Amino acid sequence: AQTVTQSQPEMSVQEAETVTLSCTYDTSESDYYLFWYKQPPSRQMILVIRQEAYKQQNATENRFSVNFQKAAKSFSLKISDSQLGDAAMYFCAYTNNAGNMLTFGGGTRLMVKP
Amino acid sequence: ETGVTQTPRHLVMGMTNKKSLKCEQHLGHNAMYWYKQSAKKPLELMFVYNFKEQTENNSVPSRFSPECPNSSHLFLHLHTLQPEDSALYLCASSQGDGSPNTEAFFGQGTRLTVV
Repeated sequence: AQTVTQSQPEMSVQEAETVTLSCTYDTSESDYYLFWYKQPPSRQMILVIRQEAYKQQNATENRFSVNFQKAAKSFSLKISDSQLGDAAMYFCAYTNNAGNMLTFGGGTRLMVKP
Repeated sequence: ETGVTQTPRHLVMGMTNKKSLKCEQHLGHNAMYWYKQSAKKPLELMFVYNFKEQTENNSVPSRFSPECPNSSHLFLHLHTLQPEDSALYLCASSQGDGSPNTEAFFGQGTRLTVV
């Protein structure tokens, strides 16, 4: 079974600074997808960024980028120029190539200090 | 609004009650999920349905009974629950057919309190 681990229950960052959230996963598959989801206090989970395992290039979405290390099974999220609205729970997630088995890590609560 | 709707948003029920949670999506997705989110625990996958067939039951107690009458609707029937079942129940859907577009869309959840 696939597992996803987020070792940082809580992180804090100063507004406008950069923060990196860690994620590791375990799988025997070679093709899969990794995601970072954000869950703000309103609790609606929304996708932040996605990475296909067959792509070596790290995904980037505006201020959000990932550091995908396939051999190490590591998938960290970097948030640049942090904003107050970035405060939320962040979940790392994995799904198989069929996209029908989405597994989440335990989450990291990010606090942004003004 | 993500296209996945859950009702009710809040539910309080007694341990002897029977209630149902509903999830609906009109995104054309073929995979639907139930997750349990407790205050002190990671997001727990409960059930997965693909093309209306249950493909995953993550050792969920029988007091939780899922139903997927069609690809757009997913129910979670609840009976004789325990106080520790109080949690946020999230429904999600994804393409689920091997399509590269495997993003999952989530509903806003049902906050369940068992008294």
